[in-house]
Order: sequence, then structure tokens, then C-alpha cells
Amino acid sequence: NAGVMQNPRHLVRRRGQEARLRCSPMKGHSHVYWYRQLPEEGLKFMVYLQKENIIDESGMPKERFSAEFPKEGPSILRIQQVVRGDSAAYFCATRPGQGVTVAPDTQYFGPGTRLTVL
Amino acid sequence: QQPVQSPQAVILREGEDAVINCSSSKALYSVHWYRQKHGEAPVFLMILLKGGEQKGHEKISASFNEKKQQSSLYLTASQLSYSGTYFCGTELMTGANNLFFGTGTRLTVIP
Repeated sequence: NAGVMQNPRHLVRRRGQEARLRCSPMKGHSHVYWYRQLPEEGLKFMVYLQKENIIDESGMPKERFSAEFPKEGPSILRIQQVVRGDSAAYFCATRPGQGVTVAPDTQYFGPGTRLTVL
Repeated sequence: QQPVQSPQAVILREGEDAVINCSSSKALYSVHWYRQKHGEAPVFLMILLKGGEQKGHEKISASFNEKKQQSSLYLTASQLSYSGTYFCGTELMTGANNLFFGTGTRLTVIP
């Protein structure tokens, strides 16, 4: 039973390039969350998606950042024209669920992608 | 919306107990506790729901005071493996389902 998978685990980009981070949920999980963690800091919520829908993107910068969770394939967090301040660990977390629910459920985290912008 | 955790850091000797607190200014539906070791992903410990509490591990338990919007994590008879940074994640009553995490409590257990 595979857990949440993220790739790449480490990503190095030069300023101005694009970064694409992938998250494959656990089997049966249809809810995906993306978080950013700066060194020695906590996790900051970025975006919450379900299949083909963005439910909440209130934590995501308005420019350069976008996320999707297509019907088929992994969820992707895309950062365009990266800057040094984008250097961080990006975690996705997934949970099961059927439709939108207010019932809490455990979020399982992937191993993260550590982005370094030179 | 971000909860406040205390203390920021604590050092224990093996076998000692510790309490980590998490406080929110918003009405909470649930509190989730995670432990993260350096360079690794956060690992789920337990979830506390409005109206109840849930024990996730043998010597790690937690409480949730709904009136005060506070949760505490109790670690008893600490082991070396307990070392790491503990985060609480809070889910608001708005039903948004995303979690707001505290800044973490760094726990170090020494022999």
C-alpha cells in the first residue's frame, strides 16, 4: 500500500525558470493539500484541491503559482519564473473523502520536494 | 488563524514527561498533531474532534478544550525516538477542511 508520493525529491532551478512539483495521492484519496515550509518554520497552507477542482487557494500567491489536480494523473504545483524566496520544502498531503464534507479526516503527508533556487 | 504553540523548545532526559500546548483565537472543529524529524515529512500522531478526544499512541495522548480553543499533547516516559518538532494543525469551524499549523515545538530527548 503505497503512501503519498512526491517527485522530484530535490529540485534545483535558476532564477526565472519554472518549477513543476508532482504529488500522487494514496490510493483512494481524492483530496490534495499543498503546504510550503521554510527552513526552521512551520507549514503554511497554500491550496486545497479535489479532482479537477480548486476548493481553496487562499494561501497561494496570486502571481506565478498555480495548481491543478486533473482527472487522471498526479496533482501538480507549478511555480513560474522562480525567485530565491521560493526556496523551501513543498509538501503535499492527501486524505480520502467523497465530495465536500465538514467532517475532519487525517491528512497524510508526502516526503516533500525541496526546491532550491540559485 | 495560525495557532500558537508553547513552549518553542524543550529538552528532556529519557523517561521524563512533557506537555506541548496549542492555542487558537478561532473556533475549532478539530486539532491534528504531527511530529516531524529533520528533513522528513510530518507524521500523523492523532486527531481530536470537537466533542471528544482520541488517543493515537501508547504513551502519547492529547486533550482538546473546546471552550478555550486549546489542545495539549502529553508525552509520558519519553524515549529517544520522541525527538523531533511537534506541530499542531487546526481545522476551523468554517468547514474549509484545510489545516493551519503552529510554529512547532522542538523536543529533544537526551539519554
